[in-house]
Amino acid sequence: AQSVTQLGSHVSVSEGALVLLRCNYSSSVPPYLFWYVQYPNQGLQLLLKYTTGATLVKGINGFEAEFKKSETSFHLTKPSAHMSDAAEYFCAVTGYRGTASKLTFGTGTRLQVTL
Amino acid sequence: NAGVTQTPKFQVLKTGQSMTLQCAQDMNHEYMSWYRQDPGMGLRLIHYSVGAGITDQGEVPNGYNVSRSTTEDFPLRLLSAAPSQTSVYFCASSYAAMDTQYFGPGTRLTVL
Repeated sequence: AQSVTQLGSHVSVSEGALVLLRCNYSSSVPPYLFWYVQYPNQGLQLLLKYTTGATLVKGINGFEAEFKKSETSFHLTKPSAHMSDAAEYFCAVTGYRGTASKLTFGTGTRLQVTL
Repeated sequence: NAGVTQTPKFQVLKTGQSMTLQCAQDMNHEYMSWYRQDPGMGLRLIHYSVGAGITDQGEVPNGYNVSRSTTEDFPLRLLSAAPSQTSVYFCASSYAAMDTQYFGPGTRLTVL
């Protein structure tokens, strides 16, 4: 079984400020972890994913995330927010065996970027 | 290459009516899935398929049926619509569940 917890349903940052979106997971098998982004009235698209290997993962649009097994976390960061980053962000987890047929999403964090 | 397509984009039903949401992909993906998105609840898996002829239930399957007769198509059927099924429905496909999923644009369903 697996689950995802995203802390903070809404996060507001100023343009140019650090973006930090938090994600904690639980999984009975080694996880594959994902961050997806959803712009208004659109489907989801992949930002980045962790499978195995390097724990710091770089994605599109300057985002990155670090897999920390000891903390069961996969937080998403971006050094400098841009207005175009305003969207909803979803963390998701699946296992690579056993429960690998199901992708479990968190409840999402809406990012607001202000001038 | 159209990716994942969904029809219709919007639909209004009355309680008790049935309908089918269509989903098709042209990427030759084996894995397809249906999610519903509700405010504050993220995306919840309804049904999924790991290949033609193989389907399984997700987290919230009640009231929905699926079949997978071809690799390309994965329709979702609402047997007798209820107001609790008012939601936005997304279809997704990938080579496997642990691979990147490609999402369709969604269908916004309202059940009165």
